[in-house]
Amino acid sequence: RKEVEQDPGPFNVPEGATVAFNCTYSNSASQSFFWYRQDCRKEPKLLMSVYSSGNEDGRFTAQLNRASQYISLLIRDSKLSDSATYLCVVNIGGGSQGNLIFGKGTKLSVKP
Amino acid sequence: DGGITQSPKYLFRKEGQNVTLSCEQNLNHDAMYWYRQDPGQGLRLIYYSQIVNDFQKGDIAEGYSVSREKKESFPLTVTSAQKNPTAFYLCASSIRSAQPQHFGDGTRLSIL
Repeated sequence: RKEVEQDPGPFNVPEGATVAFNCTYSNSASQSFFWYRQDCRKEPKLLMSVYSSGNEDGRFTAQLNRASQYISLLIRDSKLSDSATYLCVVNIGGGSQGNLIFGKGTKLSVKP
Repeated sequence: DGGITQSPKYLFRKEGQNVTLSCEQNLNHDAMYWYRQDPGQGLRLIYYSQIVNDFQKGDIAEGYSVSREKKESFPLTVTSAQKNPTAFYLCASSIRSAQPQHFGDGTRLSIL
């Protein structure tokens, strides 16, 4: 299994739709999880951290499933400005140590 | 205004030439990183440094070198040994390992 794996997409959705991305990770001891957003030809930017109990930030909800080793990102009421590539990020080496591994990203395109 | 500054934004390298990419941060972060991103691909770790005067190779260190003489600065040299240097180079920093990384806006390197 790859360290961090994402469906590359693209996900093409209409404005107002709800869309969900999943990401699987290989190290069961990982404890730090994040979602980043990367616009075309720009640097990645932190979207949100993912906490064990799940967390929400406006239209965005992140979930962690340790038993199945995946994290998810749900975007409700999609906006045109949500079009970007979403990167799943997990620490390797287990615990709170170790570097972060970036997934290759899932491309989202929101259409009018 | 705290952040990470990369320069130059665009850089061209001639055959057999070494070039140095600058990365400066004023976030007081201990850890700094260099990544390479090729078109349509994920981020690949070149080098990282968790503390001043110490750095470690990442997954693709061959043909690159770094130094970390000051906490704020982590320059990357792309040597002539790197035969395929054309890519988007991203510098990042974090408070410490496994914490969210904050990125500069990148340097695009091309071969003349």
